[in-house]
Amino acid sequence: TQLLEQSPQFLSIQEGENLTVYCNSSSVFSSLQWYRQEPGEGPVLLVTVVTGGEVKKLKRLTFQFGDARKDSSLHITAAQPGDTGLYLCAGPVSGTYKYIFGTGTRLKVLA
Amino acid sequence: DTEVTQTPKHLVMGMTNKKSLKCEQHMGHRAMYWYKQKAKKPPELMFVYSYEKLSINESVPSRFSPECPNSSLLNLHLHALQPEDSALYLCASSQESLAGGYTDTQYFGPGTRLTVL
Repeated sequence: TQLLEQSPQFLSIQEGENLTVYCNSSSVFSSLQWYRQEPGEGPVLLVTVVTGGEVKKLKRLTFQFGDARKDSSLHITAAQPGDTGLYLCAGPVSGTYKYIFGTGTRLKVLA
Repeated sequence: DTEVTQTPKHLVMGMTNKKSLKCEQHMGHRAMYWYKQKAKKPPELMFVYSYEKLSINESVPSRFSPECPNSSLLNLHLHALQPEDSALYLCASSQESLAGGYTDTQYFGPGTRLTVL
């Protein structure tokens, strides 16, 4: 069974601080996605990583896919209150149309 | 365009009502999904349609009835729901992956907030 564990579960930081969120599995994924979700809204896709070792940047967000394609990280530089939300990693279950989600990281950035 | 639309945004219904949720995408995606999400939890898969045929039913109670009238539309018919069915219902769609046949990145709609009284 493929599982995605995220850490930390909760994070409360001051504006301007840096942070890293981790998404780990014992299984290999063909790709991983990161989403941000606000309360009562659908998850919004931030990035898809496909190649082992890949690094993608989206403004102050840096995403990395592990060399073995079993883990990923999201680093936010100089966090802002607008970054507040639930961050979810997710990925396709091999050989199916299923998609599994990580356990989620709830981020709160205080002004 | 990576937009998935859902209507209605909010829905309040009694336990004896019949209602439907609607989802639409025009990205040419051939896989469409229904998820249920409770507060502070990740989305839970309910149904998957592939090429307009039901591919996966995650043992969802029969009071939820999905329908895929065409490749762009997905409905979820609701009947005799229970208060514990109150949740955010999300629709998503995806292309087949590069490996062929299986899901790749999923794009989500804004959701329908359902309250069952």
